Amino acid sequence: DAKTTQPPSMDCAEGRAANLPCNHSTISGNEYVYWYRQIHSQGPQYIIHGLKNNETNEMASLIITEDRKSSTLILPHATLRDTAVYYCIVQNNAGNMLTFGGGTRLMVKP
Amino acid sequence: EADIYQTPRYLVIGTGKKITLECSQTMGHDKMYWYQQDPGMELHLIHYSYGVNSTEKGDLSSESTVSRIRTEHFPLTLESARPSHTSQYLCASSGFRNTEAFFGQGTRLTVV
Repeated sequence: DAKTTQPPSMDCAEGRAANLPCNHSTISGNEYVYWYRQIHSQGPQYIIHGLKNNETNEMASLIITEDRKSSTLILPHATLRDTAVYYCIVQNNAGNMLTFGGGTRLMVKP
Repeated sequence: EADIYQTPRYLVIGTGKKITLECSQTMGHDKMYWYQQDPGMELHLIHYSYGVNSTEKGDLSSESTVSRIRTEHFPLTLESARPSHTSQYLCASSGFRNTEAFFGQGTRLTVV
């Protein structure tokens, strides 16, 4: 599975959009981009995933560049409860391992 | 809400004891995972399984062992607990293709 690179930390003002970048320059054609978040020490929570098209759900939007080498997770109106570590993962769905990197620690401030 | 359960949530145990951390899921998922995470640190995959009777080691070496006799059950065992095993252990499961992983609430283990 391809590796990802994320900034270690970011701040965002409450009510503003949080844009979390992820680089995955070695992604293969059959690998999906997944985003999870972990609030405090709870188990990670799935947010969204995509292959090459942009995706949106009730939690967030995922923008994948045309060359698929990077993506951005967008939380449109960040709240204090969105403070968490956000993980970007690329995975071939035939693969069996699911590994996490360091993620981005997002701090939403009042 | 995810149907994956871990017990116990908290465990304090003496050095040398044998322990088993339980993980069960009711979603019929083929893939299951165990992670170890120290406070403020990364999640490390220590074991995974892609079906009954399959178990593999993850990317972090662990003295624990796992078994997968039934689809829904993926227990983790430490034969002789040591203080270095003190950590949080998270279990997860996912379907075969193109599905997200669901995580349990975790077991916080303290070995004294």
